[in-house]
Amino acid sequence: NAGVTQTPKFQVLKTGQSMTLQCAQDMNHEYMSWYRQDPGMGLRLIHYSVGAGITDQGEVPNGYNVSRSTTEDFPLRLLSAAPSQTSVYFCASSYAPGQGAGGYTFGSGTRLTVV
Amino acid sequence: GEDVEQSLFLSVREGDSSVINCTYTDSSSTYLYWYKQEPGAGLQLLTYIFSNMDMKQDQRLTVLLNKKDKHLSLRIADTQTGDSAIYFCAESIRKLIFGAGTRLAVHP
Repeated sequence: NAGVTQTPKFQVLKTGQSMTLQCAQDMNHEYMSWYRQDPGMGLRLIHYSVGAGITDQGEVPNGYNVSRSTTEDFPLRLLSAAPSQTSVYFCASSYAPGQGAGGYTFGSGTRLTVV
Repeated sequence: GEDVEQSLFLSVREGDSSVINCTYTDSSSTYLYWYKQEPGAGLQLLTYIFSNMDMKQDQRLTVLLNKKDKHLSLRIADTQTGDSAIYFCAESIRKLIFGAGTRLAVHP
């Protein structure tokens, strides 16, 4: 049982490049979300999905796209990387939004640096 | 709106109790969570409390919830060096909203 798997763990991009951060879960969770973590700011929600085919914006969606074609996968795309997107990115999943007595399961994170 | 606030730092002596405080704004939160993040790692769920409870105890952890004041606290008894980490409180409505995290430093 792998839980939530994020790849890659580390990535360096040049300004203007695009890339996709991968997130996969094997717990049949309906709810998946992407957060970014910056020093002193906690985790901020980028995008989330309440099920396959449904996505919505969080607090800081600009510069990111998501799609949810399957229950298992929730990739995050950076369209044109900017230094302000240097951060640690976490993917999380849960059985149901707002109902998770077991909480949310987090991946181990992707550390992204944009130069 | 939704907002969760925590103090940023706490320093305690090994063996003492630690109390980490959190305030939140949305009274419709159904669950409130405490997560722990060790250096270079993801977030690990420590404990949670349902919004109709006042207190929950789980071994060395005690969670207190004051719904009237929208105040949540996490008490760690007999704090050990392995408890050094960042602790996040989070409220859950339709999505999970985090505080900025409290960095707990445990010194001998």
